[in-house]
Amino acid sequence: NAGVTQTPKFQVLKTGQSMTLQCAQDMNHEYMSWYRQDPGMGLRLIHYSVGAGITDQGEVPNGYNVSRSTTEDFPLRLLSAAPSQTSVYFCASSRRIGSSGNTIYFGEGSWLTVV
Amino acid sequence: GQQLNQSPQSMFIQEGEDVSMNCTSSSIFNTWLWYKQDPGEGPVLLIALYKAGELTSNGRLTAQFGITRKDSFLNISASIPSDVGIYFCAASYMNYGGSQGNLIFGKGTKLSVKP
Repeated sequence: NAGVTQTPKFQVLKTGQSMTLQCAQDMNHEYMSWYRQDPGMGLRLIHYSVGAGITDQGEVPNGYNVSRSTTEDFPLRLLSAAPSQTSVYFCASSRRIGSSGNTIYFGEGSWLTVV
Repeated sequence: GQQLNQSPQSMFIQEGEDVSMNCTSSSIFNTWLWYKQDPGEGPVLLIALYKAGELTSNGRLTAQFGITRKDSFLNISASIPSDVGIYFCAASYMNYGGSQGNLIFGKGTKLSVKP
């Protein structure tokens, strides 16, 4: 998992609390995204960004905010945590989706439990 | 929305056996990717496919981009114990308006060792 750093690795939140999952990449990648992984569901796209200042919603964006003020960082904010947001979160980055020879890198994951 | 149907959901392997798994969809994609995920880790890219009909190998792994662009398979030859894990297919479509496409994932194939 070269170059994509996620923090924290583990977090327990109470319902209603807010928090930010941090993601940073040092590969000067244009494209960054956040996924959540739930048992039997694979990975589902929450939000993505094609460059600094540009973000868009994925498949499951409700309850999450993102921003991309720099190329390197793409934090994911949970505004008011709910038990349904208990999941494993993965940040990913790539030079560009779909380009021949492109590689998509994932972070090591953040395990979030909302009680 | 678009979906990837990955099969089988799980399989048991005995060392030395060949393994096959596939992903199908009713949608057309222009990129197919295969990832492996070990417990507690993020997905790691195994093989990337960018052209219909493309057959690509990475050691004992071989993957093909289906000629219809709606499917892909992954074969593992002469399996070894460290092959256990969860394998995900992922596919990307390009928005022809110029914006980036996004990855969607299959639900995974879990490889375990035969008892």
